[in-house]
Amino acid sequence: LAKTTQPISMDSYEGQEVNITCSHNNIATNDYITWYQQFPSQGPRFIIQGYKTKVTNEVASLFIPADRKSSTLSLPRVSLSDTAVYYCLVAGNTGGFKTIFGAGTRLFVKA
Amino acid sequence: EAQVTQNPRYLITVTGKKLTVTCSQNMNHEYMSWYRQDPGLGLRQIYYSMNVEVTDKGDVPEGYKVSRKEKRNFPLILESPSPNQTSLYFCASSLTASGSYEQYFGPGTRLTVT
Repeated sequence: LAKTTQPISMDSYEGQEVNITCSHNNIATNDYITWYQQFPSQGPRFIIQGYKTKVTNEVASLFIPADRKSSTLSLPRVSLSDTAVYYCLVAGNTGGFKTIFGAGTRLFVKA
Repeated sequence: EAQVTQNPRYLITVTGKKLTVTCSQNMNHEYMSWYRQDPGLGLRQIYYSMNVEVTDKGDVPEGYKVSRKEKRNFPLILESPSPNQTSLYFCASSLTASGSYEQYFGPGTRLTVT
């Protein structure tokens, strides 16, 4: 399983774009990169997933360079309600079926 | 509505008193999993199941048991709870074990063992 490294915390202001980068140097060929959002005392919620290049949905974009050793979650124009912990997860169907969450990035959005 | 449900949501118990936390999903998912979350330690996987009658240990299985007799249910059993099992527990499911499918999480069960 690929180990992931993210910044422990980030601060931002409302209306700004926030980019959170995750390093996963030993990502395997079959691994996908998935980002989850978690609010206090709630279960994580899926945000976005990708394999390579760029993926965009209604809430975020995910940028994955060609070597796939890192990925960047981009949140456009954050609001106070985006204050949460964001987890980067790398998993596939090789090397077992465990799921290992990293420590996550605590994003604090200020007014 | 597609969802993962857990019961109970809150539980206070005493050391050694066996308990079961139920988990059920209505999405016909093959993969189900239990996590515990503790301050500063993030989410740690306890057990997972790739399908009926197929279970395996995650990173922190000690003191827990699971069973998967039906596809929709994946109960977590604490035979003899201890205070170090005080934690917030989440059940999750996904279509398959492949990393290409998102996991859906339940609302959590806050367990206190005194």
